[in-house]
Amino acid sequence: EADIYQTPRYLVIGTGKKITLECSQTMGHDKMYWYQQDPGMELHLIHYSYGVNSTEKGDLSSESTVSRIRTEHFPLTLESARPSHTSQYLCASSEWNSPAGANTGELFFGEGSRLTVL
Amino acid sequence: GEDVEQSLFLSVREGDSSVINCTYTDSSSTYLYWYKQEPGAGLQLLTYIFSNMDMKQDQRLTVLLNKKDKHLSLRIADTQTGDSAIYFCAESIRGGKLIFGQGTELSVKP
Repeated sequence: EADIYQTPRYLVIGTGKKITLECSQTMGHDKMYWYQQDPGMELHLIHYSYGVNSTEKGDLSSESTVSRIRTEHFPLTLESARPSHTSQYLCASSEWNSPAGANTGELFFGEGSRLTVL
Repeated sequence: GEDVEQSLFLSVREGDSSVINCTYTDSSSTYLYWYKQEPGAGLQLLTYIFSNMDMKQDQRLTVLLNKKDKHLSLRIADTQTGDSAIYFCAESIRGGKLIFGQGTELSVKP
């Protein structure tokens, strides 16, 4: 069972509010990711991190920002939420691929944070 | 760029076999994955296959990989109502990122 947690699970807020979605993992994984899942079910990578102080933008442009000050923690922030940000946000983590390639690159997912902006 | 394609819906009767198909574009993918998502939940890894394998069997699940055609399939034998979920195919690309397909919604009718 994966030890990766997201809070809140559900959030309904008004336009213009600042929100932070929390993601924590206790597996000591270096890599962490944020995916946005739209109503049509497709997942889009919006942010990823290879370790502390490393953050990169993903394939889908997003107005959100992330930080990675601690290995276990990868919060996502929206400074001013809009209805177009309504979506499910999924956090994931994986082990670093050693040069020997010992692991399979499996992603462990949290349960997701469903955000609704009115 | 990298892309993963799946059909969106599949409906089967309980006890039948289900086959979910997927095509991908990155021939350098090391691993290919099948994830399952139940309503209101995150994704859980069902199985994966290393790119130098043609087939992998794990209880009711059989994964077939045709590397030449870049085609991956997941067969679920004796499909049960509890198998109803969305199934995602994914390929690993450089940097360890995963690219996911659109997901196939499997509906199992009693």
